[in-house]
Amino acid sequence: SQQGEEDPQALSIQEGENATMNCSYKTSINNLQWYRQNSGRGLVHLILIRSNEREKHSGRLRVTLDTSKKSSSLLITASRAADTASYFCATDRAGGTSYGKLTFGQGTILTVHP
Amino acid sequence: KAGVTQTPRYLIKTRGQQVTLSCSPISGHRSVSWYQQTPGQGLQFLFEYFSETQRNKGNFPGRFSGRQFSNSRSEMNVSTLELGDSALYLCASSPLGLAGSYEQYFGPGTRLTVT
Repeated sequence: SQQGEEDPQALSIQEGENATMNCSYKTSINNLQWYRQNSGRGLVHLILIRSNEREKHSGRLRVTLDTSKKSSSLLITASRAADTASYFCATDRAGGTSYGKLTFGQGTILTVHP
Repeated sequence: KAGVTQTPRYLIKTRGQQVTLSCSPISGHRSVSWYQQTPGQGLQFLFEYFSETQRNKGNFPGRFSGRQFSNSRSEMNVSTLELGDSALYLCASSPLGLAGSYEQYFGPGTRLTVT
């Protein structure tokens, strides 16, 4: 079963607008990552935020993490048509051995209209 | 550095057959993970290998197996294919072998269709 639930399932915006996607998860985690996937291809790593961090920036991306609410958000500012893709949050479970295992949410499909 | 490569990119098989998929990680990466992606179940973890040892396994039947070679290249095998095995199979490599997750670098995937 999926650890994460993402909201919304689909998001449609105009170029230049901001896009916000949310992710909730169920267990304690070591860190949370966001990935992008274009048209059923491989995933591209966007950003990783550790469980002791609250906010992280990378270019036009801003990620927040609230471990008390077990939730994260990804903000893409000034969206471009090239940002059109599916976005996934991925977590690893704290404690025990979680070698190489990421648990993915169902993803948010973002469409940016030119 | 070259990225993660997967072969073949597309594959069509018949129920009951078996299939082998190959993954070459980024040079220097020793951890290789495999995932299955379907519209219904999303992305699900299959297994992870490090230094030729399987360290972690997801909830998949024994028909799904894998291995890793001394050069870190990995293969996964699915025997007695079922229609439900139709999926995009993704391989990812990571430079670190420590417990916990780090950035994973994904290949383009192998699209398997079972008829």
